[in-house]
Amino acid sequence: AQKVTQAQTEISVVEKEDVTLDCVYETRDTTYYLFWYKQPPSGELVFLIRRNSFDEQNEISGRYSWNFQKSTSSFNFTITASQVVDSAVYFCALSVMEYGNKLVFGAGTILRVKS
Amino acid sequence: DGGITQSPKYLFRKEGQNVTLSCEQNLNHDAMYWYRQDPGQGLRLIYYSQIVNDFQKGDIAEGYSVSREKKESFPLTVTSAQKNPTAFYLCASSSRDSQSSDTQYFGPGTRLTVL
Repeated sequence: AQKVTQAQTEISVVEKEDVTLDCVYETRDTTYYLFWYKQPPSGELVFLIRRNSFDEQNEISGRYSWNFQKSTSSFNFTITASQVVDSAVYFCALSVMEYGNKLVFGAGTILRVKS
Repeated sequence: DGGITQSPKYLFRKEGQNVTLSCEQNLNHDAMYWYRQDPGQGLRLIYYSQIVNDFQKGDIAEGYSVSREKKESFPLTVTSAQKNPTAFYLCASSSRDSQSSDTQYFGPGTRLTVL
């Protein structure tokens, strides 16, 4: 079975602080993809990143960075120098080939950035 | 502009009524999906379609129906058999080509409330 756990229900930080959102996944499949999506108050899910199971390189995009570690089945997301506009719900998701590439979502982490 | 549109944005339904939520995409994507989001929870898959005139049940299909007569359109009907339909409904689509490999892109959502 596939499962994604986002243990942090809600995080509050002050602007300019760094913040890390945790994601732990479970799958027996060797070929899978991991995703992060952002859901601002408007409701639409915005795609942030996709990572396949064979690529453990960390990725940086501006203030965003992702740390993928197969040894701990984790795919954590860090926002550096957070801004109020980063306030949103962030979802981690998993898709596996055996499961028809359907997305399995974590419960999400609410991030509140205060000015 | 290419994208996914959902209508209406807000929908109110009386108990016992069927309602249909619209989802249209002009991204030329083969696959389309419907998800339900409840407060404090991740997204759960209702139905998905990987090709025109074919669709499969997701994890919570009971009380819902879909059709896929055109590549661009994947309407969702919430029937009176759905016991607790009040939720936020999100439609998504994805390409089947090897470059994007099933990254799902989401519409803005429809918030359904049963009165």
